[in-house]
Amino acid sequence: DAGITQSPRYKITETGRQVTLMCHQTWSHSYMFWYRQDLGHGLRLIYYSAAADITDKGEVPDGYVVSRSKTENFPLTLESATRSQTSVYFCASRIAGQNEQYFGPGTRLTVT
Amino acid sequence: DAKTTQPNSMESNEEEPVHLPCNHSTISGTDYIHWYRQLPSQGPEYVIHGLTSNVNNRMASLAIAEDRKSSTLILHRATLRDAAVYYCILSPLTSGTYKYIFGTGTRLKVLA
Repeated sequence: DAGITQSPRYKITETGRQVTLMCHQTWSHSYMFWYRQDLGHGLRLIYYSAAADITDKGEVPDGYVVSRSKTENFPLTLESATRSQTSVYFCASRIAGQNEQYFGPGTRLTVT
Repeated sequence: DAKTTQPNSMESNEEEPVHLPCNHSTISGTDYIHWYRQLPSQGPEYVIHGLTSNVNNRMASLAIAEDRKSSTLILHRATLRDAAVYYCILSPLTSGTYKYIFGTGTRLKVLA
């Protein structure tokens, strides 16, 4: 049971480059979420998706784009990376109607 | 969205019970109280949740005040593996999206 996976686990990129972080879950959960975690902060919601082809903004969506063409995948794209987007990114999923979210192991992104 | 207040850090001795407090004085009637924890270098992990009544599961107990303005996560016998950041989160029951707003949590240190 692979669960929820993220790739890459570590990424270094330059300012202005496009970067895509991948999230894959094997449970067919309806809901998927992207969070970022910065030093001294809790997790902040970037985008979420209630189902394939349904996405919505969270607290901090600026500078990010998401898509969800398949239930199991929820990629997060930084169209033009900035240093302020250096962070640890967590993907999560949840079954519709239940409270518990399942988190991936995270991707540590550094923008130089 | 209702906010939560938690102590920044707490210490406990191994094998002893731990009571982690959370204040949420502006909680609304439909807010669930969730607890997650984040072990070092991992994504958050669900611990427990409740609405009005006290809850128990294999990991912990959740005690909710009668006025729901505060709650306490109880770890019955702390182990070294319980050292983590514990987050108390309110989730508005809005259209089933259960969007979480994380605070900075309580860092629990367990002493051997």
